Amino acid sequence: EAGVVQSPRYKIIEKKQPVAFWCNPISGHNTLYWYLQNLGQGPELLIRYENEEAVDDSQLPKDRFSAERLKGVDSTLKIQPAELGDSAVYLCASSPLPGSEQFFGPGTRLTVL
Amino acid sequence: QQPVQSPQAVILREGEDAVINCSSSKALYSVHWYRQKHGEAPVFLMILLKGGEQKGHEKISASFNEKKQQSSLYLTASQLSYSGTYFCGTDSGSARQLTFGSGTQLTVLP
Repeated sequence: EAGVVQSPRYKIIEKKQPVAFWCNPISGHNTLYWYLQNLGQGPELLIRYENEEAVDDSQLPKDRFSAERLKGVDSTLKIQPAELGDSAVYLCASSPLPGSEQFFGPGTRLTVL
Repeated sequence: QQPVQSPQAVILREGEDAVINCSSSKALYSVHWYRQKHGEAPVFLMILLKGGEQKGHEKISASFNEKKQQSSLYLTASQLSYSGTYFCGTDSGSARQLTFGSGTQLTVLP
């Protein structure tokens, strides 16, 4: 069974530029999460989807971050414009049910110069 | 509120045991444990649900004391492959999503 797929794996941009991350969850997993992970820290939840509905986006900085999960499968996380402090690893995870084990993708390492 | 993990780091020799603790200030519905190797994704180890059950996975087991809002991960007879950063994630039940601790870095030496 294929795991969670994320692309790109690495991205280097200059500040004020836009960037987008893509995630394809495990087939059949209705719950999808986007996390941000800073070096030496645990993942921090940005947004959680149940199917195509964002059920918790309270931690998403909405002035510059946006996300969508059209058709309840793939998801895209966008930052526009990027700031230096956005440099981090962006992880996508999926689970078959809310609260059940989460399967993480390899992440996208973003560097903002 | 982020759970507190202790210790922050531990170094072991192969074959030694270790305990990693996770403590929350909130009432918990469940605790998840994940292991992350450098440059890789976190990998699920186990879930403990409210009820104080203890679970095991090969030589890795965990307990959950809901009264104290604490969980402990036990690694016995450590292997080199156990090296990595261990995260606990706590679920208070209302949101059904996890808040992760800052991790415990475990290094197993030959």
